[in-house]
Amino acid sequence: AQSVTQPDIHITVSEGASLELRCNYSYGATPYLFWYVQSPGQGLQLLLKYFSGDTLVQGIKGFEAEFKRSQSSFNLRKPSVHWSDAAEYFCACMEYGNKLVFGAGTILRVKS
Amino acid sequence: EPEVTQTPSHQVTQMGQEVILRCVPISNHLYFYWYRQILGQKVEFLVSFYNNEISEKSEIFDDQFSVERPDGSNFTLKIRSTKLEDSAMYFCASTKGSAESYEQYFGPGTRLTVT
Repeated sequence: AQSVTQPDIHITVSEGASLELRCNYSYGATPYLFWYVQSPGQGLQLLLKYFSGDTLVQGIKGFEAEFKRSQSSFNLRKPSVHWSDAAEYFCACMEYGNKLVFGAGTILRVKS
Repeated sequence: EPEVTQTPSHQVTQMGQEVILRCVPISNHLYFYWYRQILGQKVEFLVSFYNNEISEKSEIFDDQFSVERPDGSNFTLKIRSTKLEDSAMYFCASTKGSAESYEQYFGPGTRLTVT
């Protein structure tokens, strides 16, 4: 079965600083990969996705992610974090049959 | 922009009672899902539904759970006899499921509290 690992439970960055959230997956074939964001009390909003093709994908709110097959990684990045980016971020992988397998999440705190 | 909606936003029930959580998926989507997130834990898959039948279910989805698409728009999750450990946020999701569009769109969730 697939698994998704987000090694950082919490990350704190200063407003305006760059951000990288790590995600590693285990899956034999080329995975479908996603990043979702969840603000407190809210649902899951899709930030970006990778299916195939260009390994650097752009998403909403200025986020991007890079798929690296050699490292089994799909890290999320943003060059300059805003206070409104404070939320919990989930990496997910799609298994055969279309169900999503989620990582444990990374809570992002932004300090001013 | 079309979105997945869920009702109610918060449901409080007593142990042993039946609850029905409701979802209205995006209208042209074909695959429907329920996930849950126990407080402080990861989001877990419960069940997927396609063409009016369950296509896959997890170990969590035992005989106490059922899903239904009673009409052309609603998708429901029923828990027959709730337990304390069913307390969680329940998310509905839908997707077109086509080769061009596998992303799942999530509703805002229903927080179920079992007392």
